[in-house]
Amino acid sequence: AQSVAQPEDQVNVAEGNPLTVKCTYSVSGNPYLFWYVQYPNRGLQFLLKYITGDNLVKGSYGFEAEFNKSQTSFHLKKPSALVSDSALYFCAVRDLGSSNTGKLIFGQGTTLQVKP
Amino acid sequence: DGGITQSPKYLFRKEGQNVTLSCEQNLNHDAMYWYRQDPGQGLRLIYYSQIVNDFQKGDIAEGYSVSREKKESFPLTVTSAQKNPTAFYLCATQGNGAQDTQYFGPGTRLTVL
Repeated sequence: AQSVAQPEDQVNVAEGNPLTVKCTYSVSGNPYLFWYVQYPNRGLQFLLKYITGDNLVKGSYGFEAEFNKSQTSFHLKKPSALVSDSALYFCAVRDLGSSNTGKLIFGQGTTLQVKP
Repeated sequence: DGGITQSPKYLFRKEGQNVTLSCEQNLNHDAMYWYRQDPGQGLRLIYYSQIVNDFQKGDIAEGYSVSREKKESFPLTVTSAQKNPTAFYLCATQGNGAQDTQYFGPGTRLTVL
């Protein structure tokens, strides 16, 4: 079965420092991977996705993610964190099973807290 | 959130009542999804529809029902059979390709009184 794991419930960083939010996945075949961000009482906002090609994917708001096939990871990164980056982050993998529903399988989410 | 609207933003239900959550989109996407979000549990798929007049159960469909009479609309009914309906409900849409991004609406917070 396909699955996604976000091993950290919360990540704390100081403003201006680099941040990393971790994600590992388990799929059969090539993964389609996504990162979303959610602010309190809001819907999920799409940040970036990996389908194929370069392992380093650049997305919105200065975020990027590195796809590592050997480690089955897709960590989200940003060189310099802002207080406004504080939010809940979700990693997801697309279910590419025979039914091809397009549905996403989500990790549990990681709360990012950026302190001034 | 743009292009997908959900209403109401907040909804209160008495036990034993059915309530319907609205999801409308103007993105011309064929596929639509309903997710439930509970604290610490991520998102779980309730129902999805890949085309008008067709829909399938997701992972936690019990106590819920949907319809897809129009491409733009995918309402979710939370029935009295749903034992623990208090949650944040999110609607999403997606284009036809497997590589397409899934976009989310702003959500409806349902509270059972």
